[in-house]
Amino acid sequence: AQTVTQSQPEMSVQEAETVTLSCTYDTSESDYYLFWYKQPPSRQMILVIRQEAYKQQNATENRFSVNFQKAAKSFSLKISDSQLGDAAMYFCAYRTYTGANSKLTFGKGITLSVRP
Amino acid sequence: DGGITQSPKYLFRKEGQNVTLSCEQNLNHDAMYWYRQDPGQGLRLIYYSQIVNDFQKGDIAEGYSVSREKKESFPLTVTSAQKNPTAFYLCATRRPGQGVEDTQYFGPGTRLTVL
Repeated sequence: AQTVTQSQPEMSVQEAETVTLSCTYDTSESDYYLFWYKQPPSRQMILVIRQEAYKQQNATENRFSVNFQKAAKSFSLKISDSQLGDAAMYFCAYRTYTGANSKLTFGKGITLSVRP
Repeated sequence: DGGITQSPKYLFRKEGQNVTLSCEQNLNHDAMYWYRQDPGQGLRLIYYSQIVNDFQKGDIAEGYSVSREKKESFPLTVTSAQKNPTAFYLCATRRPGQGVEDTQYFGPGTRLTVL
């Protein structure tokens, strides 16, 4: 079974600084997807960024980028120029590549606070 | 507006009672999911449905039941058999597509409290 581990329960960053959130996963598959979701205090889950395992190029979305290390099974999220609105819980998630029944497996999340 | 609607936002139930959480979508997505979120935990899958009139158990299905009579609706019933039902419940749909375009989208959630 696949597992996703987010070992840091909390992190803090100064506004305008850069922060990196860590995620590791365990799988025996070679093709899969990885995601980062944001859950602000409203508790609405928002997709931040996604990565296909077969792509070597790291995904980027504006201030958000990932460092995908397939051999190490690591998928960290970097937030540049942190803003107060980035304060939220962030979840890393894994999904198998194929099959109509492929499901998301989530890590336990990390709470990010942003200091003004 | 297109989207996923969950109602009610807050729900209180007396111990021993069944309660049904609503999830409606107008995104025309085939797949729908129910997740449970507890403090300090990630999301855990309860049930999912790929098509109408078909659904599968997730990782923590005991004490829950679902139905999928319409594409737009996927209600979740929390039964009295669920030992610890107080939690935040999230409904999601999946947009069909290629590669990472095949993505899950989430509703606003329902907070269930057992008194």
